[in-house]
Amino acid sequence: AQSVSQHNHHVILSEAASLELGCNYSYGGTVNLFWYVQYPGQHLQLLLKYFSGDPLVKGIKGFEAEFIKSKFSFNLRKPSVQWSDTAEYFCAALNNAGNMLTFGGGTRLMVKP
Amino acid sequence: EAQVTQNPRYLITVTGKKLTVTCSQNMNHEYMSWYRQDPGLGLRQIYYSMNVEVTDKGDVPEGYKVSRKEKRNFPLILESPSPNQTSLYFCASSRRDRVLGGYTFGSGTRLTVV
Repeated sequence: AQSVSQHNHHVILSEAASLELGCNYSYGGTVNLFWYVQYPGQHLQLLLKYFSGDPLVKGIKGFEAEFIKSKFSFNLRKPSVQWSDTAEYFCAALNNAGNMLTFGGGTRLMVKP
Repeated sequence: EAQVTQNPRYLITVTGKKLTVTCSQNMNHEYMSWYRQDPGLGLRQIYYSMNVEVTDKGDVPEGYKVSRKEKRNFPLILESPSPNQTSLYFCASSRRDRVLGGYTFGSGTRLTVV
């Protein structure tokens, strides 16, 4: 069974600081990886996704993630965060059959103005 | 507007009283799924459906039922709710080409069982 783990449960940053959120997965097959964001009181929205090709994936709102196969990692990054990035971030892995999207436990990011 | 609609948004009920949370999508998606979100546990899949009349268990199906009689609807049924089913529930849908399409999530249903 696949699993996804996120190292940090809570992260607090000041505006303009750089962000990196860790995500590790364990899965033996072809990996399809996602980052979702959930703003307070809202549903999940897709930030970016990786299926194959260039391991550096760019998403919306200035976010990017790097797939490092040797480390089983898919960390999310943003060079300079804004107050509006305050949200909970979820890493997820989709199995080969495409019927199970497994989520990590989430990381709550608070950006102080 | 393409969307997944869940109802109700908020629900407080008593232990043992049957309830149904509805989910409807207007994107002609084949795949639909239910998740529950609990602090520190992320989202866990309850049930999913690959198409009409095809449903299967996810990671945490105990205490839940689903049905898929029509393509657009995928209701979640709690026959006898218990306090440990207090949670935030999300419905999601996707095209058959799930990898490229990604999942579209509903706005969530916050359920409290007392």
